Amino acid sequence: DTGVSQNPRHKITKRGQNVTFRCDPISEHNRLYWYRQTLGQGPEFLTYFQNEAQLEKSRLLSDRFSAERPKGSFSTLEIQRTEQGDSAMYLCASTSGADTQYFGPGTRLTVL
Amino acid sequence: DQQVKQNSPSLSVQEGRISILNCDYTNSMFDYFLWYKKYPAEGPTFLISISSIKDKNEDGRFTVFLNKSAKHLSLHIVPSQPGDSAVYFCAANAGGSSNTGKLIFGQGTTLQVKP
Repeated sequence: DTGVSQNPRHKITKRGQNVTFRCDPISEHNRLYWYRQTLGQGPEFLTYFQNEAQLEKSRLLSDRFSAERPKGSFSTLEIQRTEQGDSAMYLCASTSGADTQYFGPGTRLTVL
Repeated sequence: DQQVKQNSPSLSVQEGRISILNCDYTNSMFDYFLWYKKYPAEGPTFLISISSIKDKNEDGRFTVFLNKSAKHLSLHIVPSQPGDSAVYFCAANAGGSSNTGKLIFGQGTTLQVKP
């Protein structure tokens, strides 16, 4: 069990550029979550997948954000036309049930 | 609206003493609670959890207490060690019939354990 992995760990981009993050969950975990954490706050829910189906999206997820989980394994989170307010830590978590979620190390995004 | 609140931004204790971290929630539908520990530049690490049908759960040095009537839970660490220094997050599972399992987090409490 290698745990949840996320790539890249850090991303610096210029405002207006598109970025994509990847999350590889713990194998056989059918549920995958994306959260966003800003300084001084706890993680905030963005979206949830059960297998390949995206079943819930937060209102925080504007139309510039899109997430996919093809084949129900890894997931990608894309942000189009990045804004400075998108700077945050993006966290991925997975679980096989509806209880304990296991988090990856996160991707730190800085938008200049 | 902050449904899960950790009102103490920071806590400092001496090594070997007890650390008590508190968390309050507002939604009576929450049925599962978790504590995570987070070091800088890392993702949250699961510590301990408790179901709403229980009032106490213990795992080694960590004990979580749940008071449903007060909508309050606390994490006790005994004895505290310098390696416990981190940010601690309380989280609640929203539950419900369409349980997606999404977690709602508090703002976190930074614990410093002094040698």
